[in-house]
Amino acid sequence: GESVGLHLPTLSVQEGDNSIINCAYSNSASDYFIWYKQESGKGPQFIIDIRSNMDKRQGQRVTVLLNKTVKHLSLQIAATQPGDSAVYFCAERERNAGNMLTFGGGTRLMVKP
Amino acid sequence: DTAVSQTPKYLVTQMGNDKSIKCEQNLGHDTMYWYKQDSKKFLKIMFSYNNKELIINETVPNRFSPKSPDKAHLNLHINSLELGDSAVYFCASSRTSGSEQYFGPGTRLTVT
Repeated sequence: GESVGLHLPTLSVQEGDNSIINCAYSNSASDYFIWYKQESGKGPQFIIDIRSNMDKRQGQRVTVLLNKTVKHLSLQIAATQPGDSAVYFCAERERNAGNMLTFGGGTRLMVKP
Repeated sequence: DTAVSQTPKYLVTQMGNDKSIKCEQNLGHDTMYWYKQDSKKFLKIMFSYNNKELIINETVPNRFSPKSPDKAHLNLHINSLELGDSAVYFCASSRTSGSEQYFGPGTRLTVT
């Protein structure tokens, strides 16, 4: 996922705008990717997933894009709402690591009313 | 109905104590996990069990011992608690190993 640095990257957007959250993954052998949303005081919640044989998948107000060439994943949220404020994680499934999910460092999305 | 539940939600204890966190899932999943989330929100897998058998054991001190009495339960026992064990611990389950995981609400452990 995003570099596991010393701080949590934060994206601040205006309510109603579109949000794009990015994630760089590390393993070219990963075949499955998931985006999770974690609200304050709660566990991560599944948003959308995508397999490596696809480059785009759409859900309700969310779209995930996968670029395997540069090992990049993005989550697009249309018409961002205050309820979208949370920490977002990407996770990759590494086939050569016992099908384990490895989580990125997370991005905090703050929605301004 | 809560799909993945954990108890307790908060746990405050002193260094050197032994404590347990319980996890139950009612989804009929085969695989269960324990994760540790630090203060910077980084999620790290600790253990994975498939049908009551350990399949992943990341580099975790052997003070941490998971126990799976049946497919629906995966408990975490921690001996001789240390300050660095303070974190939020999440239980999760998935239908099979590597499929979408469902997380519990977390247990915030504070060691003083």
